[in-house]
Amino acid sequence: SQTIHQWPATLVQPVGSPLSLECTVEGTSNPNLYWYRQAAGRGLQLLFYSIGIDQISSEVPQNLSASRPQDRQFILSSKKLLLSDSGFYLCAYTDNQNTEAFFGQGTRLTVV
Amino acid sequence: KQEVTQIPAALSVPEGENLVLNCSFTDSAIYNLQWFRQDPGKGLTSLLLIQSSQREQTSGRLNASLDKSSGRSTLYIAASQPGDSATYLCAVTHMNYGGSQGNLIFGKGTKLSVKP
Repeated sequence: SQTIHQWPATLVQPVGSPLSLECTVEGTSNPNLYWYRQAAGRGLQLLFYSIGIDQISSEVPQNLSASRPQDRQFILSSKKLLLSDSGFYLCAYTDNQNTEAFFGQGTRLTVV
Repeated sequence: KQEVTQIPAALSVPEGENLVLNCSFTDSAIYNLQWFRQDPGKGLTSLLLIQSSQREQTSGRLNASLDKSSGRSTLYIAASQPGDSATYLCAVTHMNYGGSQGNLIFGKGTKLSVKP
């Protein structure tokens, strides 16, 4: 069966510190991978998506970057966090048929 | 630009009621539409997926319909229970120019509260 893992579940980081959130998918090959951010009172904002290894598209300019070093691994990073980076980050995938989307359990990031 | 709207933003009903959540989208060029449930502080759980060629999907007490031409979908919940309390999100998979599949675009959700 297909599963998606995302960690950590919660994270408190000081302003200016680096960030690395990891997402892995099991049970499928060549998935499309996504990073979303959900801010309080707002909808889900697509940050990055990837259709293959080292193929990353950014939807919005920001202080974050994404990488896909392996087929089923997607990493969200920042060199220096800002207060405005606080939020709930969600990783998702669709299979190579681009049908149903599945989400991880999310990471609550608080930048202090 | 595809925009997804969900009405109402919040809904409170007594246990046992049947209810309907609404979702509308501005561009009918979609691959599919998906309904999700989100509990507080948690990720999204997929409830129903409707392909663009389909009119409805059913799972248990849930029924989702799709009218692509009018840009509307509804999620019907029968005999609501307190455990149904959550935020319900609608999302469309956009179709890019040229017919390639685009990304999931979400509404802001309807927060449902079912009172015992």
